[in-house]
Amino acid sequence: TQLLEQSPQFLSIQEGENLTVYCNSSSVFSSLQWYRQEPGEGPVLLVTVVTGGEVKKLKRLTFQFGDARKDSSLHITAAQPGDTGLYLCAGPNNAGNMLTFGGGTRLMVKP
Amino acid sequence: GAGVSQTPSNKVTEKGKYVELRCDPISGHTALYWYRQSLGQGPEFLIYFQGTGAADDSGLPNDRFFAVRPEGSVSTLKIQRTERGDSAVYLCASSYELEGPEQFFGPGTRLTVL
Repeated sequence: TQLLEQSPQFLSIQEGENLTVYCNSSSVFSSLQWYRQEPGEGPVLLVTVVTGGEVKKLKRLTFQFGDARKDSSLHITAAQPGDTGLYLCAGPNNAGNMLTFGGGTRLMVKP
Repeated sequence: GAGVSQTPSNKVTEKGKYVELRCDPISGHTALYWYRQSLGQGPEFLIYFQGTGAADDSGLPNDRFFAVRPEGSVSTLKIQRTERGDSAVYLCASSYELEGPEQFFGPGTRLTVL
């Protein structure tokens, strides 16, 4: 069974601070995805990382896939209140027909 | 519609009752997924359809849960003899598999079993 563990579970910071969220597994994934979920809504895909060591940037968000494709990180620079939400990492099973999600990191950015 | 839609958005029922949750996927998406998200946790896989058939139902917790997709589009998740532990947000997602593993999620149905 492939498991994904996210840390921290909760993070409360002030606007303008930087933060990093981690997603770790003992299993190798062909790719990892990061989603953001707001209350009352479904997860929305932010990025997919595929290649070991890959770094992708989305405005103030930087995503990195570990060299061994077992872990990933999300770094947010100069966080804003609009970044508040639940950040989820997810990876496909070998057949590619389901996603395994981490437990999520709930981020609150205070103005 | 432009995205995945789910109805109802909220469902409150009593223990022992039967409920049906509906999912309308993005038009043209051949794959459809159901997940369950308990409070404070990430979504957990329930079942996957490719077309009309359930290709993988290994995530269904027990035989009280059943899902159908008779025409390869709309899907209904059915829960018999509901229990308080079934309370959760039920998420539906769809994808066009030839474009990779990206899944598009609906807003979910929040089920509360009293």
